[in-house]
Amino acid sequence: AQSVTQPDIHITVSEGASLELRCNYSYGATPYLFWYVQSPGQGLQLLLKYFSGDTLVQGIKGFEAEFKRSQSSFNLRKPSVHWSDAAEYFCAVKADRGSTLGRLYFGRGTQLTVWP
Amino acid sequence: EAQVTQNPRYLITVTGKKLTVTCSQNMNHEYMSWYRQDPGLGLRQIYYSMNVEVTDKGDVPEGYKVSRKEKRNFPLILESPSPNQTSLYFCASSLSPPGRGLGVYSNQPQHFGDGTRLSIL
Repeated sequence: AQSVTQPDIHITVSEGASLELRCNYSYGATPYLFWYVQSPGQGLQLLLKYFSGDTLVQGIKGFEAEFKRSQSSFNLRKPSVHWSDAAEYFCAVKADRGSTLGRLYFGRGTQLTVWP
Repeated sequence: EAQVTQNPRYLITVTGKKLTVTCSQNMNHEYMSWYRQDPGLGLRQIYYSMNVEVTDKGDVPEGYKVSRKEKRNFPLILESPSPNQTSLYFCASSLSPPGRGLGVYSNQPQHFGDGTRLSIL
């Protein structure tokens, strides 16, 4: 079965510093991978997604993520964090076939705090 | 404006009293889904629907029902709510299932509602 692991529950960075949020997935074939952001009291917003092709994916708000099959990882990065990036971030994976088509599996989330 | 609307946004109720959380989307999306979000557990999928009259279980369907009689609506029903169903619930929709579809319908992102916070006493 598919699963997603976000090893870091909480990360704190200073404004202007670089950021990397980790995501590891478990899936036998090529997965569909997503990163979502959730601001307090809000629903989830899609930052970026990977389905195939170029393993470095650009998203909104200056985020990017790199798919590494050998490491089963899809880490989210941003070169310079802004205070408005403080939020909770979720990695998700989806099966592309079989009986679980349509199901989306989320990691437990990483809470990002940004110091001024 | 394209949106997913959930109602109510907040509800406090008692064990065993049937309740329904409505979800409506105005984007003519085929795919709709319900999630619950709990601290330390992230989002877990409850049920999803590929189209009208087509629904399927997600990871945590126990204690919930759904229906999809019309494309725009996907209500979540708790027939006999229990305290362990106290949670934050999100409805989401997309034109096609995440990762499916051809051409303009492919790779459609899910649009999430603003959430419904349920407290079952």
